[in-house]
Amino acid sequence: QKEVEQNSGPLSVPEGAIASLNCTYSDRGSQSFFWYRQYSGKSPELIMFIYSNGDKEDGRFTAQLNKASQYVSLLIRDSQPSDSATYLCAGNKLIFGAGTRLAVHP
Amino acid sequence: EAGVAQSPRYKIIEKRQSVAFWCNPISGHATLYWYQQILGQGPKLLIQFQNNGVVDDSQLPKDRFSAERLKGVDSTLKIQPAKLEDSAVYLCASSLQTGGVRKSTDTQYFGPGTRLTVL
Repeated sequence: QKEVEQNSGPLSVPEGAIASLNCTYSDRGSQSFFWYRQYSGKSPELIMFIYSNGDKEDGRFTAQLNKASQYVSLLIRDSQPSDSATYLCAGNKLIFGAGTRLAVHP
Repeated sequence: EAGVAQSPRYKIIEKRQSVAFWCNPISGHATLYWYQQILGQGPKLLIQFQNNGVVDDSQLPKDRFSAERLKGVDSTLKIQPAKLEDSAVYLCASSLQTGGVRKSTDTQYFGPGTRLTVL
């Protein structure tokens, strides 16, 4: 079992919809999680980090962490074509998932 | 604030040759990371430095890869000899500090990467 798992996608959503990206992890010692966005051919850039159970909102993005179930998710509201990218989940032990490719179509 | 700088941006070599990559982290960032990202995969940590000391190099193939950060600032990553499977993007990242929990200062900022092709 990989330590951080993500569905590779692609996840296709229409413009304006909510995109839901999920990540599960196996190490209960992981306490902080980071979501990165990576455009094709570019390096990852941080979107959000979360360490407490529950939700954390920043603009159109909401991160959710459930430590009991060992999953972390990222919701993108009002999805835009510019959100089309690969979204990487990482724990504070520096292990990244393979990423989920999101495609937002007009 | 200047970001993480890396060079070269692209490198093409033949197998069994050697290659070196350079990284300059964000000023004041104590922690520096080298990642290998193979196409279609997430970044894989190769080595992590805290100032000029190694924190984690458990996934560094030490028979062919080496890295140093002599003065606690710039770092170089070397591959000698290169294999076909080393073709990847090599990402350098830095953070203000590490080891803490619930700290935004653990946030890593990535450089543009070096795309290595081994023929």
